[in-house]
Amino acid sequence: DTGVSQDPRHKITKRGQNVTFRCDPISEHNRLYWYRQTLGQGPEFLTYFQNEAQLEKSRLLSDRFSAERPKGSFSTLEIQRTEQGDSAMYLCASSASTVSYEQYFGPGTRLTVT
Amino acid sequence: GQSLEQPSEVTAVEGAIVQINCTYQTSGFYGLSWYQQHDGGAPTFLSYNALDGLEETGRFSSFLSRSDSYGYLLLQELQMKDSASYFCAVVSGYSTLTFGKGTMLLVSP
Repeated sequence: DTGVSQDPRHKITKRGQNVTFRCDPISEHNRLYWYRQTLGQGPEFLTYFQNEAQLEKSRLLSDRFSAERPKGSFSTLEIQRTEQGDSAMYLCASSASTVSYEQYFGPGTRLTVT
Repeated sequence: GQSLEQPSEVTAVEGAIVQINCTYQTSGFYGLSWYQQHDGGAPTFLSYNALDGLEETGRFSSFLSRSDSYGYLLLQELQMKDSASYFCAVVSGYSTLTFGKGTMLLVSP
C-alpha cells in the first residue's frame, strides 16, 4: 500500500526562478489538495482537485501559483517568479469521496528561496 | 473568514490524560477534524466530528459542540510517542481543511 508521494523533497532556488513540484496521490483517491505550511503554523489550503477538475482555489493564492492534475492522477504545482516569502513546506493530500474528510498527506516538498 | 484558537503548548507526564481545546469561528462548517504531526513529519488524521458528541478511537477521543463552536481532543494513557503537534481543522465545502496554529504536546517520563 503506497501512500502519497511528493517530489522533490527539498528544493532550493533563487528568487525569480520558477519551480514545479509533483504529487502522486493514493491511486484510488479522486480528491487531491495542496497546502502550504510555514514554521509554527498549521497547513494553509491552496487548491483542490476532484479528478482532473480544479474546483477551488484559495483567495489568498497569488496568480504566480498554478496547479494542474491532468487525467486525474498526479498533480503539479508551479510557482513562477519565486519570492522569499514563498519559502515553506508544500504539502499534498488526497482522499476518497466516500471518506473525504480523512485526508492522507504526503511528506511535503520543502522550498527555500534565497 | 475562518479562525481557530487552540493552546500553543501543553505538557503532561506519561500515563496521564490531556485535553486540547479548540474554538472556531467559521462559515460553511461541515465538521471538525484533528490531525497529529510529529516534528519533520506529515500530518496524520486522528478523528472527525460532524455531529455533537464524543467520538472514541482507542486512546484518543474527540468531542464537538456545534452550538458552542467548540471541540476538544482527549488523549488518554499518554505515551512518549504522543509528543507531537496537534491541529484542529474545520472541514468546509469540498472537505477543504482550515487548520489552527497547532498545540505542541510535550510528554515527559
